[in-house]
Amino acid sequence: DAKTTQPTSMDCAEGRAANLPCNHSTISGNEYVYWYRQIHSQGPQYIIHGLKNNETNEMASLIITEDRKSSTLILPHATLRDTAVYYCIVRVAHQGGSEKLVFGKGMKLTVNP
Amino acid sequence: DAMVIQNPRYQVTQFGKPVTLSCSQTLNHNVMYWYQQKSSQAPKLLFHYYDKDFNNEADTPDNFQSRRPNTSFCFLDIRSPGLGDAAMYLCATSRDFLGYEQYFGPGTRLTVT
Repeated sequence: DAKTTQPTSMDCAEGRAANLPCNHSTISGNEYVYWYRQIHSQGPQYIIHGLKNNETNEMASLIITEDRKSSTLILPHATLRDTAVYYCIVRVAHQGGSEKLVFGKGMKLTVNP
Repeated sequence: DAMVIQNPRYQVTQFGKPVTLSCSQTLNHNVMYWYQQKSSQAPKLLFHYYDKDFNNEADTPDNFQSRRPNTSFCFLDIRSPGLGDAAMYLCATSRDFLGYEQYFGPGTRLTVT
């Protein structure tokens, strides 16, 4: 299973861009990179995912390096409500053609006023 | 509008007393998942259904069972809860596997006394 490595924690000032790094050096060619976040005492929330190309949606941008060994999640204008644990996950193939999310320890982002 | 609903949000049960947690979805998704999240840990997949096909994780204890009577509902049964089963239980759905995100419910926090 391709594993991911994230910093344990990061601080960001409100209104600034938050750049959250993730290493996934053993990723396979058909494995997607997914980002979820979990605000305290809530269920995880999907943010964005990508395979090769950079992706952008209303929440964030995902920049994947050309060799796909690392990626960066960008929150363009962080707010206090973005304080959460962010999980970078590589979707792994599972038995019978299914898939599963294997959550790592994640990274705690704290947005400060 | 809530898309993945979990009831109850908080459940207290006694040691050894069977308990059932419920999950419903309004998304008409094929896949439903149950995760266990213990305090300060990442969510861990227990099992999932693709339609009516059940897939159990190899390390899920026999004490945990699941039922999916129809597309919308899925239940988690804990036959004889132990103190170590106290956790947040998260239900999630996805339309399909590869390339599709999972939508999580708010979770049910289980306390075992």
